[in-house]
Amino acid sequence: NAGVTQTPKFRVLKTGQSMTLLCAQDMNHEYMYWYRQDPGMGLRLIHYSVGEGTTAKGEVPDGYNVSRLKKQNFLLGLESAAPSQTSVYFCASTNGGAKIYEQYFGPGTRLTVT
Amino acid sequence: EDQVTQSPEALRLQEGESSSLNCSYTVSGLRGLFWYRQDPGKGPEFLFTLYSAGEEKEKERLKATLTKKESFLHITAPKPEDSATYLCAVRTRDNYGQNFVFGPGTRLSVLP
Repeated sequence: NAGVTQTPKFRVLKTGQSMTLLCAQDMNHEYMYWYRQDPGMGLRLIHYSVGEGTTAKGEVPDGYNVSRLKKQNFLLGLESAAPSQTSVYFCASTNGGAKIYEQYFGPGTRLTVT
Repeated sequence: EDQVTQSPEALRLQEGESSSLNCSYTVSGLRGLFWYRQDPGKGPEFLFTLYSAGEEKEKERLKATLTKKESFLHITAPKPEDSATYLCAVRTRDNYGQNFVFGPGTRLSVLP
């Protein structure tokens, strides 16, 4: 199992450009999450999904959109990138049952907006 | 507002020197407290989940405990490979139980 994978690993954007980050998991998890991690601030939840076709806002959703068309994939979109969106983005997934809410994280995407 | 703080911000230990990391939280309806380990350039790796005050979990040299207001991660006789940033997170009842609030982490360095 590959676990949680993220594409791309690095990206540099100019202000106003758009891009999509892809997260894929092969563990058949129901729940998926997008976080951003900034120095000294900890991980902050952007959006999450509790199942295929569902999405919801987290703590810092402004400037981002998400889609979960397939259970294994969770996409994070930036329509018009801003320097404040420079960050490291992590995707995570989890499932119910005995290990409910133990989150598995991807390796991250480092995004720089100039 | 739900908040998680961690102390110290950074900790340097000699190999074999035991110590504890603190995670303090203020949340509306705790639904679990989590500890993660994060190595540089990588995603967090799950360590423990604690659900109720008095609960303890152990894994190798690590032991996590939980009270009503804080959690401790005790590291016994650490080794250099324990060097990492340790993150604490809480799950709250907001957003249908999908709200996870992370602390800023404690950066641990274990010197040989």
